[in-house]
Amino acid sequence: GIQVEQSPPDLILQEGANSTLRCNFSDSVNNLQWFHQNPWGQLINLFYIPSGTKQNGRLSATTVATERYSLLYISSSQTTDSGVYFCAVAPNQGGKLIFGQGTELSVKP
Amino acid sequence: GAVVSQHPSWVICKSGTSVKIECRSLDFQATTMFWYRQFPKQSLMLMATSNEGSKATYEQGVEKDKFLINHASLTLSTLTVTSAHPEDSSFYICSAITSESSYNEQFFGPGTRLTVL
Repeated sequence: GIQVEQSPPDLILQEGANSTLRCNFSDSVNNLQWFHQNPWGQLINLFYIPSGTKQNGRLSATTVATERYSLLYISSSQTTDSGVYFCAVAPNQGGKLIFGQGTELSVKP
Repeated sequence: GAVVSQHPSWVICKSGTSVKIECRSLDFQATTMFWYRQFPKQSLMLMATSNEGSKATYEQGVEKDKFLINHASLTLSTLTVTSAHPEDSSFYICSAITSESSYNEQFFGPGTRLTVL
């Protein structure tokens, strides 16, 4: 089955710094989503981005489907950005998501 | 829009009892819902795919007789953990895909934390 690898596994930032999280996947996908899991466990949808580039405030994401990777950019990080960021892909239309192992981000004041 | 709720948010039960978790799509119709399980410090693992009006499809290694899934309507799916044991303690999360969009974006519920004593 499809493999999803995220890097780095852990990241510590000072408030105000920028960061880039990476997601590599081993096969073509029909869906790719980025999530932020908050300390209470809720998964918050950040981007639905099987291809192309999107921006939402301080966050942006780019997926290069032909090269099988996606990047999540966080600019001017805030302490509330702390948590685990997951990339998940679905190889089929309307199909199940396969999750990466996540990147645990800690933003220090 | 695209809000998914779960109930209860947490539950503690004795070993051998059964626990039912509800997953509802509040403002959309969901032809497909998914159930995931997450152990501490780990990623989400898919347990089963639930389609309204049909039997659930379970992932390899997931016991269908232990984890009963019912998708009785376009807004409700339930997961029943039967004869729960301490090793079933985990964070259970559901998600849904809306049938009202051409996109396949999944929306997740807030999760249910199950502790089996």
